[in-house]
Amino acid sequence: QKEVEQDPGPLSVPEGAIVSLNCTYSNSAFQYFMWYRQYSRKGPELLMYTYSSGNKEDGRFTAQVDKSSKYISLFIRDSQPSDSATYLCAMRRTSGTYKYIFGTGTRLKVLA
Amino acid sequence: ETGVTQTPRHLVMGMTNKKSLKCEQHLGHNAMYWYKQSAKKPLELMFVYNFKEQTENNSVPSRFSPECPNSSHLFLHLHTLQPEDSALYLCASSPTRGTSEQYFGPGTRLTVT
Repeated sequence: QKEVEQDPGPLSVPEGAIVSLNCTYSNSAFQYFMWYRQYSRKGPELLMYTYSSGNKEDGRFTAQVDKSSKYISLFIRDSQPSDSATYLCAMRRTSGTYKYIFGTGTRLKVLA
Repeated sequence: ETGVTQTPRHLVMGMTNKKSLKCEQHLGHNAMYWYKQSAKKPLELMFVYNFKEQTENNSVPSRFSPECPNSSHLFLHLHTLQPEDSALYLCASSPTRGTSEQYFGPGTRLTVT
């Protein structure tokens, strides 16, 4: 079993839709959770990070962590064609190794 | 230049060549990282440097040799690579090793023939 599972997509939605992107994980020691956006031929760009459980909102983006279910989500409201990219989740523990474990990424297409 | 820059952006090399990848960060960070990104695979952490000292080597083959002369520059020296080493190599930096925010460069697309 992979430590982090992420549906590769592609996920196609119409412009203006609410998008839900998700990752599940198996290691209960993970405490930091990140979401990155990666456009084609570019490096990943950090969108959101949260510590432990709860929600965090930034503009059209909301990150949610449910540690009891080992499940994290990224919601994008009022999606735009410019949101079309691959979204990567990443997570790590608070002590020991500082190694980040990444999901394989979900490719999102927002259709105009 | 701002953020994290990487050169070259594209590299084609034969299995017997020696080449180097360069990364420079203009963010005043103290930790730098090399990652490998292959198609349909998650990012794989290769090396971590904190204040110029290597703190992690994730079982990377010796044909990859990192060098960190100062906190702003990171190199990845390549020799006798294999075709399966073809991938996007990403450099990242963060304020310190324990900081969650990592900032990535655009990557070097490496093809080994």
